[in-house]
Amino acid sequence: DIQMTQSPSTLSASVGDRVTITCRTSQSIGIWLAWYQQKPGQAPNLLIYKASTLQSGVPSRFSGSGSVTEFTLTISNLQPDDFATYYCQLYDSPYTFGQGTKLEI
Amino acid sequence: EVQLLESGGGLVQPGGSLRLSCAASGLSFSSQVISWVRQAPGKGLEWVSKISGGGGSAFYGDSAKGRFTISRDNVKNTVYLQMRSLRVEDTAIYYCAKELADAALDVWGQGTMVTVSS
Repeated sequence: DIQMTQSPSTLSASVGDRVTITCRTSQSIGIWLAWYQQKPGQAPNLLIYKASTLQSGVPSRFSGSGSVTEFTLTISNLQPDDFATYYCQLYDSPYTFGQGTKLEI
Repeated sequence: EVQLLESGGGLVQPGGSLRLSCAASGLSFSSQVISWVRQAPGKGLEWVSKISGGGGSAFYGDSAKGRFTISRDNVKNTVYLQMRSLRVEDTAIYYCAKELADAALDVWGQGTMVTVSS
C-alpha cells in the first residue's frame, strides 16, 4: 500500500503569516491528492483537489502544488478563521488520509 | 443545495451489528459516487468504503473488508453501511460524503456517532 506522511503534525503561526504543510507519498500518485480543513465539531471541508485545483468558494489565499510524491498546501495571509486541522488525502485506492496538521495561533 | 444526512448510529456491544444510512437531497443521486469516512474520538480521518452511482462497484478499506457492506437504494436516494462483528476500535463518527470528479470528497454530512462498548 502507498504510505502517506504529512508534516508537521502541529504548526504555530500568527494572523498574517504564510504557512506550508507537506504531504509525501511512498509511491508516485500523479496529481491525485486533495486537501481538507476541519474545525472542531464539524465535518471536513474540501479546499484543493487534483493537487492544485481550488474548490469553488474557497478563498484564494489557499493554494496547492506538487505532483508525483511531494505535495504542499500553502496558506497566505493567515486569517483567524484558518486556525484548524488540515488533512491531505490520496484520491486513489486505498484513499488514505494523512495524519493531520493542527494549525494553532 | 446538496445535502447528506447520516443516521443509524448508537451504542452497540462488541460483536454486534449496526446499519448506517446516508440520505441525499438536491442532487442527481444515481450518478453520484458516495463514500463513508470515519473519525475515532480525537483522531484523524480514515476512509472506510465507497460505492459507484449504480451500485455495481464497491470498495473497502482494510478495516472494513469482510465485516462491512456498502449498498444503495437509488429510489430512496440513500446509501447504507451495514457493519457486523463490530469492535471497540470501530468507535467513531461516521461521515458520508459525495465524490467530486473522481478526485475528492466535496459534500459531507454532519456525521453519526457509533460507540462500540460493553
